[in-house]
Amino acid sequence: DTAVSQTPKYLVTQMGNDKSIKCEQNLGHDTMYWYKQDSKKFLKIMFSYNNKELIINETVPNRFSPKSPDKAHLNLHINSLELGDSAVYFCASSPSTSSYNEQFFGPGTRLTVL
Amino acid sequence: AQSVTQLGSHVSVSEGALVLLRCNYSSSVPPYLFWYVQYPNQGLQLLLKYTSAATLVKGINGFEAEFKKSETSFHLTKPSAHMSDAAEYFCAVSEGDSSYKLIFGSGTRLLVRP
Repeated sequence: DTAVSQTPKYLVTQMGNDKSIKCEQNLGHDTMYWYKQDSKKFLKIMFSYNNKELIINETVPNRFSPKSPDKAHLNLHINSLELGDSAVYFCASSPSTSSYNEQFFGPGTRLTVL
Repeated sequence: AQSVTQLGSHVSVSEGALVLLRCNYSSSVPPYLFWYVQYPNQGLQLLLKYTSAATLVKGINGFEAEFKKSETSFHLTKPSAHMSDAAEYFCAVSEGDSSYKLIFGSGTRLLVRP
């Protein structure tokens, strides 16, 4: 009964490939997020969806495309992978967009681009 | 725009000693402030949050933090460190209801010596 789950946990791929990461939450939350954590542990938000609607889209390359088929799922597709995309990607969710809400994080997906 | 500064990328303490992890924020409006902990190869977990109620906030695992507006600080403390406290700690800020985004500090790795 994991609250926020991500698949896969590890992803190793070649430059130029296309890959997807899936995220699911069973908390009944309305808002979901994608974060990127680089090799220095710095965490930066990439995208956020509220009730399947995109509400935050940071300065992320167009090669990254999030999709939210329903409130419980937020997937991240990455085209033409580059070496600099290597990082840990975290999915998170919160009850709503209210800023005082705690965000619940998934276990992360470690992406390695060779 | 809001920002978070965590002084000290690494803090080392002896088991049983006081833990003090520093966080200073910048925000143009009253902020909401959070401390998250990340254990190795795991996602982030909320330790505590400040949402404009009491300035001294108690969290899980014996941690607490004090909001000091005059110093724009939200330092995290624990009276007595345990070996199990060894982890990465992140301070984060959101700008009240004007922003959905959590802005994270660069993190502080806490090392606990036997």
